[in-house]
Amino acid sequence: KQEVTQIPAALSVPEGENLVLNCSFTDSAIYNLQWFRQDPGKGLTSLLLIQSSQREQTSGRLNASLDKSSGRSTLYIAASQPGDSATYLCAVDSGSRLTFGEGTQLTVNP
Amino acid sequence: DADVTQTPRNRITKTGKRIMLECSQTKGHDRMYWYRQDPGLGLQLIYYSFDVKDINKGEISDGYSVSRQAQAKFSLSLESAIPNQTALYFCATRSSGNTGELFFGEGSRLTVL
Repeated sequence: KQEVTQIPAALSVPEGENLVLNCSFTDSAIYNLQWFRQDPGKGLTSLLLIQSSQREQTSGRLNASLDKSSGRSTLYIAASQPGDSATYLCAVDSGSRLTFGEGTQLTVNP
Repeated sequence: DADVTQTPRNRITKTGKRIMLECSQTKGHDRMYWYRQDPGLGLQLIYYSFDVKDINKGEISDGYSVSRQAQAKFSLSLESAIPNQTALYFCATRSSGNTGELFFGEGSRLTVL
């Protein structure tokens, strides 16, 4: 059974700081890994999707990497802004279903 | 308009009542999913459907049922609601195959008293 862990559970940083969120998974036989953002009481918004054959994906200030062999993915956020405050979740696709981590709650302080 | 629409967005009901949560999508995707989100437990898969004639149980299907009325519509029912079904429910869709992004609705917050 696939298990997904996100560390840390919560993170508070000052505005402008570069930061890294971590996602680890137990079964390396995956199709892809997706990072989401969730604002309080809202749905999940897809940020980046990395296919199993890819090492990284970039979108604006966001960069996600994938190392299947070690069962790890990182989401790098450059020059963080207060508007980046949200919960970030990763989800691993192992076939018919996705397994989600519990998320990292990020607070960026002005 | 949102690509994935859930109704109702909020619902308060009593124990024993039947509740239906509806989901419709305009993305033309074949695959649709229902998830439940609880604090500290992350998202758990309730049911999923790969096309109109295909329904599959997820991790926590007990106490729930679904109906795929059309490619664009997937509803979740609680036949007899109980308080521990109080949660935030999400519908999601993705295209066929295992390479597509998952798109979520805004969620339906259900409270069972």
